[in-house]
Amino acid sequence: EIILMQSPDTLSLSPGERATLSCRASQSFSSNYLAWYQQKPGQAPRLLVYGASSRATGIPDRFSGSGSGSEFTLTISRLEPEDFAVYYCQQYGTSPPYTFGQGTKLEIK
Amino acid sequence: QVQLVQSGAEVKKPGASVKVSCKVSGFPFTIYNLDWVRQAPGQGLEWMGRINPNNGDTNFAQKFQGRVTLTRDTSTNTAYMQLSSLASDDTAVYYCVKEGAVDGRFDFWGQGTPVTVSS
Repeated sequence: EIILMQSPDTLSLSPGERATLSCRASQSFSSNYLAWYQQKPGQAPRLLVYGASSRATGIPDRFSGSGSGSEFTLTISRLEPEDFAVYYCQQYGTSPPYTFGQGTKLEIK
Repeated sequence: QVQLVQSGAEVKKPGASVKVSCKVSGFPFTIYNLDWVRQAPGQGLEWMGRINPNNGDTNFAQKFQGRVTLTRDTSTNTAYMQLSSLASDDTAVYYCVKEGAVDGRFDFWGQGTPVTVSS
């Protein structure tokens, strides 16, 4: 089973700033199968990025994903008030089990 | 449009079982795998298992093997997740999720079903 570790646990920033969230895997895997999700309180998660760097439908271009092997990054170029939420990385694909990182809470400074 | 509509909140006693339904619409039911993910209060996301609605094949996280049953009814486009031998740490919101066609990304989520286990 691939273990995903996200850092930091909490990130405190102001609107307009740049956010960089990290996801490190216990072993390398294909970047085709790395996704990022956003979750706001009381809501189901929403797919932001899949295949490590492809934005899901309707996701603003201030969100970008990068990385390969065992190191992945989600960048939010200029934070909007609605971006403050919890973010999860996930490895998925054809071979379960699938796993999620523990999450990074992005909070307003 | 794609919709996954789950059954309502449940309250169960320890040792009981719970069965959550997920009725889908807006896409062909038998083409896309459906996964189940849970989230305990204040905690992260935990993948439980998935079902291929076409043939009923399932995969499970080792933690839930033997305690989770995934089924589907192709006549009503509904998937089911049954969790047995409930304990207090099974208290969580349970989500059904549609996988994408090409790579299995989790592209659409149900609204979640809160399950509370309490004596």
